[in-house]
Amino acid sequence: GENVEQHPSTLSVQEGDSAVIKCTYSDSASNYFPWYKQELGKRPQLIIDIRSNVGEKKDQRIAVTLNKTAKHFSLHITETQPEDSAVYFCAAKRGRDDKIIFGKGTRLHILP
Amino acid sequence: DGGITQSPKYLFRKEGQNVTLSCEQNLNHDAMYWYRQDPGQGLRLIYYSQIVNDFQKGDIAEGYSVSREKKESFPLTVTSAQKNPTAFYLCASSIRPGDTQYFGPGTRLTVL
Repeated sequence: GENVEQHPSTLSVQEGDSAVIKCTYSDSASNYFPWYKQELGKRPQLIIDIRSNVGEKKDQRIAVTLNKTAKHFSLHITETQPEDSAVYFCAAKRGRDDKIIFGKGTRLHILP
Repeated sequence: DGGITQSPKYLFRKEGQNVTLSCEQNLNHDAMYWYRQDPGQGLRLIYYSQIVNDFQKGDIAEGYSVSREKKESFPLTVTSAQKNPTAFYLCASSIRPGDTQYFGPGTRLTVL
């Protein structure tokens, strides 16, 4: 079945530096890839998403890139700030039944 | 995601008791989902419903039951058959299956 692998599980970066989180998926029919941010004790919130007809999408300090051939996609956060500290989940929509499959999450720590 | 609510926020249960978690949305979304999240873990799908009066098991349905009698409501019952029910439960909805999911604030269930 569809599998979404996410790396790293934990990431620490200095404030102001960039952070990159990577995900791979197995279903070549996947065509929608959302990213969620979850602060401690809160609900996951959509921060950016990308569809398979584009290779990159940006929203201020956040960008997502998609490589359909290699079946991987990445989240890039530039100029990191303390409020970026959270758990980030990638996800992919499975082609055969439209089910969203989540990665296991990356805990991002922004160091002062 | 302000249009999807869950209650209660915290719930305590004695072993052997069934409890029902509420999930309501006023977004006119067709699809609704229940996830379980354990500390430091990702999101595991319990049940989902693509339309009123229809629902399917997710990856960890054993010990849980749901109903979808109204479009707005998708309650989850945690039965005594669920051996380790202490977790954070998240409800989500999407306008149609496979579209962006929006999450409720969650219910933290503790079994005493």
